[in-house]
Amino acid sequence: AQSVTQLGSHVSVSEGALVLLRCNYSSSVPPYLFWYVQYPNQGLQLLLKYTTGATLVKGINGFEAEFKKSETSFHLTKPSAHMSDAAEYFCAVSEGGTYKYIFGTGTRLKVLA
Amino acid sequence: DAGVIQSPRHEVTEMGQEVTLRCKPISGHDYLFWYRQTMMRGLELLIYFNNNVPIDDSGMPEDRFSAKMPNASFSTLKIQPSEPRDSAVYFCASSFRGFGASGSYEQYFGPGTRLTVT
Repeated sequence: AQSVTQLGSHVSVSEGALVLLRCNYSSSVPPYLFWYVQYPNQGLQLLLKYTTGATLVKGINGFEAEFKKSETSFHLTKPSAHMSDAAEYFCAVSEGGTYKYIFGTGTRLKVLA
Repeated sequence: DAGVIQSPRHEVTEMGQEVTLRCKPISGHDYLFWYRQTMMRGLELLIYFNNNVPIDDSGMPEDRFSAKMPNASFSTLKIQPSEPRDSAVYFCASSFRGFGASGSYEQYFGPGTRLTVT
């Protein structure tokens, strides 16, 4: 069965510092991987996705993620945090390449002034 | 496009009452998903449809929950009777498979319905 693990339910960074949110997955088939962001009282919004091709994926708002098959990881990074990045971030894997997602438990990002 | 539309945005009801949540997917999308989000359990997929047909309802917690999709532009999630433990935010999402063997696999989420059962 596929699963997603997000290390760190809460992460705090200073404004301007590097953001690194960790995601590891388990999958018996080539995975499709996603990062979503949820702002307070809103639905989830897609940040970026990996399906096939280039393993370094760029998304919206300056975020990017790298698919590393050998490490079964898909960590999300941003070089310089902004106050507006404060939100909850979810990593997801599509089950067996289907439209059914398995979500991680989420990481709440706090940006300190 | 207006995005995925959910109604109501907030619902407060008493235990034992019937609750109906509504969703209008993005026009042209052929997949529709219902999720529940709680602090304790995170995001859980309840059920999803493809071309109005339920594909996987293994996440539906019990018989008190039911979902329908009578046409491509409307779906409901019903809880009858409701219980306090059903209090959560319920999200609807839709996706478009596209043509051929591949699709975007992106899910577009609505703003959610916050349900409180007292």
